[in-house]
Amino acid sequence: NAGVMQNPRHLVRRRGQEARLRCSPMKGHSHVYWYRQLPEEGLKFMVYLQKENIIDESGMPKERFSAEFPKEGPSILRIQQVVRGDSAAYFCASSEGASYGYTFGSGTRLTVV
Amino acid sequence: AQRVTQPEKLLSVFKGAPVELKCNYSYSGSPELFWYVQYSRQRLQLLLRHISRESIKGFTADLNKGETSFHLKKPFAQEEDSAMYYCALRSGAGNMLTFGGGTRLMVKP
Repeated sequence: NAGVMQNPRHLVRRRGQEARLRCSPMKGHSHVYWYRQLPEEGLKFMVYLQKENIIDESGMPKERFSAEFPKEGPSILRIQQVVRGDSAAYFCASSEGASYGYTFGSGTRLTVV
Repeated sequence: AQRVTQPEKLLSVFKGAPVELKCNYSYSGSPELFWYVQYSRQRLQLLLRHISRESIKGFTADLNKGETSFHLKKPFAQEEDSAMYYCALRSGAGNMLTFGGGTRLMVKP
């Protein structure tokens, strides 16, 4: 079991471009969570998804950010028209169910230039 | 709203010295608390959770509801304990975690 796989590990985008971050959960896990870690800060919850459903997106900025977890394939966090303030580490985690512990991925470090 | 506070960004101790990483929380319900650790160049991993009351790698943490604290302790630090440590709280619904800002532990030889 390869664990939670995130790619790319590092992503550089110019201001105004789109960033797509991918997360493949552990085998058997159908719950996915995205967190953002800004420089010098802790992880902040963004969104919680199950297959084909967004369960909670209360931590997601209202504009430019979206997330999906299709029936087939990885979960995608999409940031449109990136700005410098989006530069951060984005972590994905997965779990078997709503009351189970998480397994984290290694993160994607997004740099906006 | 829940909040987790780790007052120290950096804690530096010598090998063999006792370690206490502080964590305070605010939450109106019944909290579930965790400590996560991130070693250099590795992913965040669960160290321990309060409901299991276990000791992992010599670390323990006791939930003190009166003081709303969940401090992480180890009597004798080792160099391999050097890492970032995050305290986290899980609230009742939805399995989301609220993280503290993290404490970097440096254990000097």
